[in-house]
Amino acid sequence: DIVLTQSPLSLTVAPGEPASISCRSSQSLLRSNGNNYLHWYVQKPGQSPQLLFSLASNRASGVPDRFSAGGSGTHFTLNINGVEAEDVGLYFCMQSLHIWTFGQGTKVEIK
Amino acid sequence: VQLVVSGGGSAQPGGSLTLSCAVSGFTFSDFEMSWVRQAPGKRLEWLAYISSSGNTKYYEESLQRRFTISRDSVGKTVYLQMSRLRAEDTALYYCLRGGVPGNYDVSTGYNFFDPWGQGTLVTVSS
Repeated sequence: DIVLTQSPLSLTVAPGEPASISCRSSQSLLRSNGNNYLHWYVQKPGQSPQLLFSLASNRASGVPDRFSAGGSGTHFTLNINGVEAEDVGLYFCMQSLHIWTFGQGTKVEIK
Repeated sequence: VQLVVSGGGSAQPGGSLTLSCAVSGFTFSDFEMSWVRQAPGKRLEWLAYISSSGNTKYYEESLQRRFTISRDSVGKTVYLQMSRLRAEDTALYYCLRGGVPGNYDVSTGYNFFDPWGQGTLVTVSS
């Protein structure tokens, strides 16, 4: 199985400050078609997870511009440029190159 | 797009439960569906997949064939039949739709999930 390792596991950020979450894969998620099969989700308190980015950097509909994502191969990052109170939640990565596995999740809280 | 999950609850070890996921707001026959669970303190775990036609199914190997996924194209519902339940099956169970229409496999790279239905809690305890 492909193992995804996120860091940090917890992040407390002051409003307006940036935040960055790393997701590392035990094997490359890059296919010959140029796509990286790594996706980002957020689970806000009391809600089901919702898609933030697909294929490493494709922003989902409705996701604010302060969120960005990138990376390739085995290292990926999710960035929040100016955290807002509504960004509190559990952020996790998922790979879909070989069936599906998930990162442990990173809990983002506001200072 | 809505995925409405039902059927969770309590079961005894060795017992059975069937989860249902009723969908609306999209062409059901165009999309793959999956089930995922989240046990307390553990990362999310993918359980089962069914293709848009229902002809192809995949399961997480550790389930040891205790779970069966199916879909009803008329009722627009996906099911997860769970048998020989164990305490370690206690978790929040989610129904998910493939992120883009079509069917994907190891030759193409698998689909992402979007959206997720609301979770339903399954508790296995004596």
